[in-house]
Amino acid sequence: EAEVAQSPRYKITEKSQAVAFWCDPISGHATLYWYRQILGQGPELLVQFQDESVVDDSQLPKDRFSAERLKGVDSTLKIQPAELGDSAMYLCASSLGIMGEQYFGPGTRLTVT
Amino acid sequence: AQTVTQSQPEMSVQEAETVTLSCTYDTSENNYYLFWYKQPPSRQMILVIRQEAYKQQNATENRFSVNFQKAAKSFSLKISDSQLGDTAMYFCAFMKLRYNTNAGKSTFGDGTTLTVKP
Repeated sequence: EAEVAQSPRYKITEKSQAVAFWCDPISGHATLYWYRQILGQGPELLVQFQDESVVDDSQLPKDRFSAERLKGVDSTLKIQPAELGDSAMYLCASSLGIMGEQYFGPGTRLTVT
Repeated sequence: AQTVTQSQPEMSVQEAETVTLSCTYDTSENNYYLFWYKQPPSRQMILVIRQEAYKQQNATENRFSVNFQKAAKSFSLKISDSQLGDTAMYFCAFMKLRYNTNAGKSTFGDGTTLTVKP
């Protein structure tokens, strides 16, 4: 069964360093989402892509976060510089289309020290 | 903006019994989807059940069913014959349909941690 892949699974970085996460959605899924999930809370949408275009990045802290999906397939989320408050699980999800079911990857747990 | 509220942070149920998880939401939209997702410990989130707002009939999926009350903006999940594998965090999610794109924006509640006891 096809799955959403994410790497790394765990990342520890120091404050002010740069960090990047990678996501490979299920083949054929045009929509890709990046979420941030703080422990004990629900996922919060950071950015949504439709193919290579950003559809929604209203909650993305653009002064330090960036996201790209250059060929409309895999995607990278970057944080520079990382802050202590960025410690969270970063989830990637993809969906086929308007029916809306999202398939989630295993996530990247980020710890900023 | 849409909000989703899950008022039960934690719940427990005995194996084989029935449990209901609550979810309320606030929206001015008329067309939307509602979802329940399950996030087992240290495993990825998966879809449990989906409800389209235009459908009056409540969705069911094996042991999982919902009680969708559109006027009350309520969307509860009932798990029958609870199993140990149902232990997980359950998230209610609202998806607004945006007609100029292929998929909508989702808003999640803060989750209910369900423990099934043997």
